[in-house]
This record gives sequence, C-alpha cells and structure tokens, in this order.
Amino acid sequence: GAGVSQTPSNKVTEKGKYVELRCDPISGHTALYWYRQSLGQGPEFLIYFQGTGAADDSGLPNDRFFAVRPEGSVSTLKIQRTERGDSAVYLCASSLSLGNEQFFGPGTRLTVL
Amino acid sequence: AQSVTQLGSHVSVSEGALVLLRCNYSSSVPPYLFWYVQYPNQGLQLLLKYTTGATLVKGINGFEAEFKKSETSFHLTKPSAHMSDAAEYFCAVIDNYGQNFVFGPGTRLSVLP
Repeated sequence: GAGVSQTPSNKVTEKGKYVELRCDPISGHTALYWYRQSLGQGPEFLIYFQGTGAADDSGLPNDRFFAVRPEGSVSTLKIQRTERGDSAVYLCASSLSLGNEQFFGPGTRLTVL
Repeated sequence: AQSVTQLGSHVSVSEGALVLLRCNYSSSVPPYLFWYVQYPNQGLQLLLKYTTGATLVKGINGFEAEFKKSETSFHLTKPSAHMSDAAEYFCAVIDNYGQNFVFGPGTRLSVLP
C-alpha cells in the first residue's frame, strides 16, 4: 500500500517568506508526527496529532511554526517569516495509534536563502 | 524527560566483521525502544523495536538488539557486515504512554571492503 508522502520534496525560499509543507499519512493511521532533521543530527520532535487535535506541540521552536490536521488525515506544517536557521529536512511520520511503529515519509528539504 | 545517547558518531567495520552500534537511554517509565536506519537520500526505516516480552529482538537484514534494563542499553548488532549496511542508524525511545518520542544523534556506519 501507499506509504507516507510529503510535498514538496524540495523547497527553496527567501528569508522572511511563508511556507507550507504537506504530509499525507498512511490511510487509517490516527497518529501523525512532524520532525525536523538538521545535517548530521537525529530527527528532532516538533509536534504530533492524535486525530485532528495536536496532542503535543512542545517541540515547536517558536510561534512562527504552526501545524494543522483539520480532517484527521492530511497535515500541513506552516512556517511564517522564515529564517536561515529553519533550513533542514522536515520529516513526517504516521502510526496506527500513539506508541506504535512510526512510518516515515521521505521528507521535505527546506532551504531558506 | 527522556534522552538517548549513541556512542560513536561514526563506526567503520570491515565487510564480514561484527557490527556493534551502541545506544543508551534514560527514561523515568518503562520505555519502548526502536532502531531506525536511514540510507542516503531515503526516509527512515524501522529495523526493529522492543516493547515488552523477550529482551532479544530480531529485526530486518540480520540485525538484532538486546534490551538490558540494568544497563539502560539497547545495542544493535549484526554478526557479519555487508556493504549494503552502510547507512545512518538512529536509536529512539518512547515512553509507554506513547509520548515523548526522542531520537539519538545517530551513528554513521561505514563498511570497508
């Protein structure tokens, strides 16, 4: 079956711009996670959803970052007023429920110039 | 708060040699433990996981890991390295409430001919 997909695969933007990153989880997976991975580091947790609600957003670095999952399936990570330090690979994962194996998407590489 | 340490950011072994990648964790509650592999330009893939039961866990591609509570360790091993094992390996821990998913910094495995 189809895995987790993320679009776009690459995004180049200028400092100060707004970006949206999309995640399509595996059908039927109720839990959805966002991570950020900088070069040479492990994934850093940002936020996870159980259904439509953000169960834990404690990993979001500041209020420029926001994520939604309005229908409990597709999720969008939104970054306002992007900064060069936001450049990273943004990973999305989904699981049947919290605590189960997470299946990861290929990531979106964000570059802020 | 949970944390994960991986001793050795880069490990090199000869083809056919034993692979040992170390992972130690801290957790205030019984953890679920995972090893993920990331091949170049690919997404994270689950190698194996420990939740409950048998402490020696077997995964894909001949890898296995043993949960040692007294040592708070979950080291990954493979008896004989293959060139195709060259990748980045991440240890991760989640508490048994399904929250606080934390990745280690990763270990890059090189396999020499």
